[in-house]
Amino acid sequence: AQSVTQLGSHVSVSEGALVLLRCNYSSSVPPYLFWYVQYPNQGLQLLLKYTSAATLVKGINGFEAEFKKSETSFHLTKPSAHMSDAAEYFCAVSGSARQLTFGSGTQLTVLP
Amino acid sequence: KAGVTQTPRYLIKTRGQQVTLSCSPISGHRSVSWYQQTPGQGLQFLFEYFSETQRNKGNFPGRFSGRQFSNSRSEMNVSTLELGDSALYLCASSLSGTSGATSYNEQFFGPGTRLTVL
Repeated sequence: AQSVTQLGSHVSVSEGALVLLRCNYSSSVPPYLFWYVQYPNQGLQLLLKYTSAATLVKGINGFEAEFKKSETSFHLTKPSAHMSDAAEYFCAVSGSARQLTFGSGTQLTVLP
Repeated sequence: KAGVTQTPRYLIKTRGQQVTLSCSPISGHRSVSWYQQTPGQGLQFLFEYFSETQRNKGNFPGRFSGRQFSNSRSEMNVSTLELGDSALYLCASSLSGTSGATSYNEQFFGPGTRLTVL
């Protein structure tokens, strides 16, 4: 069985500051990991994915994540936050069962 | 290429009624998955359809059902609605090739249907 834990349901950063959203996973098989973003009243948009090709994954909008097997982590980062980054972010894992298992989400607030 | 579309976007029903939601996947995608999103339970997997067959099912009661048509469009149905069924229902499509193969499952989500049960 797979699961993900997102540490921090709410994160606030100042515009221009580093964004760090934490995700730890548990998986009995090599995992495929994803970060999705959800803006109010919208569906989920894929930011980036880890599929075992490279441990440092670059996504859209300047986001990246690093897969660390020893720490079972897949934290999402962005060097400089922008007001438009304010949204809810979900980490997800997909194993052999093909379905996505999501974390509980992290609401990112960007302060001017 | 058009994205995943879901209809209707908003729906209000009363307890005991039934509801049908529709999802049209991205052209060429053969797998459709459904998820329920609520503030309390978060995002939960309902079921996945591939080539008109339910291939995977989450832990939901039998009141929740679905089907997929030959053109890959999918519907989900909830019978005997309860207040707790109020949620955003998200549909996702993927190419999702060979059944049973361990391959990453990049899913593309629609905007969702917001169901309110009164």
